[in-house]
Amino acid sequence: QSALTQPASVSGSPGQSITISCTGTSSDIGGYNYVSWYQQHPGKAPKLMIYDVTNRPSGVSNRFSGSKSGNTASLTISGLQAEDEADYYCSSYTTSTTLVFGGGTKLTVL
Amino acid sequence: QVQLVESGGGVVQPGRSLRLSCAASGFSFSSLGMHWVRQAPGKGLEWVALISYDGSNKYYADSVKGRFTISRDNSKNTLYLQMNSLRPEDTAVYYCAKRILGVLWSMDVWGQGTTVTVSS
Repeated sequence: QSALTQPASVSGSPGQSITISCTGTSSDIGGYNYVSWYQQHPGKAPKLMIYDVTNRPSGVSNRFSGSKSGNTASLTISGLQAEDEADYYCSSYTTSTTLVFGGGTKLTVL
Repeated sequence: QVQLVESGGGVVQPGRSLRLSCAASGFSFSSLGMHWVRQAPGKGLEWVALISYDGSNKYYADSVKGRFTISRDNSKNTLYLQMNSLRPEDTAVYYCAKRILGVLWSMDVWGQGTTVTVSS
């Protein structure tokens, strides 16, 4: 199972909105609504930000939102804040009854 | 509070074995599926394995299938990962994580990780 494709890096200024894409195939993202997004700060464990494409766990800011179109999922962060600077990973369930992650995107807040 | 604590990592030679443990507390461990996820140095996340709440179903990434075994002891609230025939490419921080309620393939609580280094 190949990793999902994410841009290596994105950047934005405080207050702006950014979107991170995550591209897969019909065997993963396109076939199921089981896309999740994780935030990881350096040296820390990942934190779940979005599950089932659009759902936010309790405690996650509503500045984070998810969507999906075809084989591509997206994470949008609005009102960028300094603490949003981190690595972001998407994941998806696959037809092989496995989970696949994206390669990760480094978000820089300018 | 909900907590996962991994242990058992270390330095091991290629071809040898290692068993990781993950002690769970603060939630109904016996009711939820559990995952192992790893992260090689400077690299991204890689899913390793999933076990159902009762241990009856297990799923593995192709990269570890046949070498790693996930198991659990619900009486001890502990998850395990038995790693055999270790390779240098298995070097990583290994995290255990619990599935979010109602969603098998998303993880809402993660441990701090335990480091495995495979080197001669």
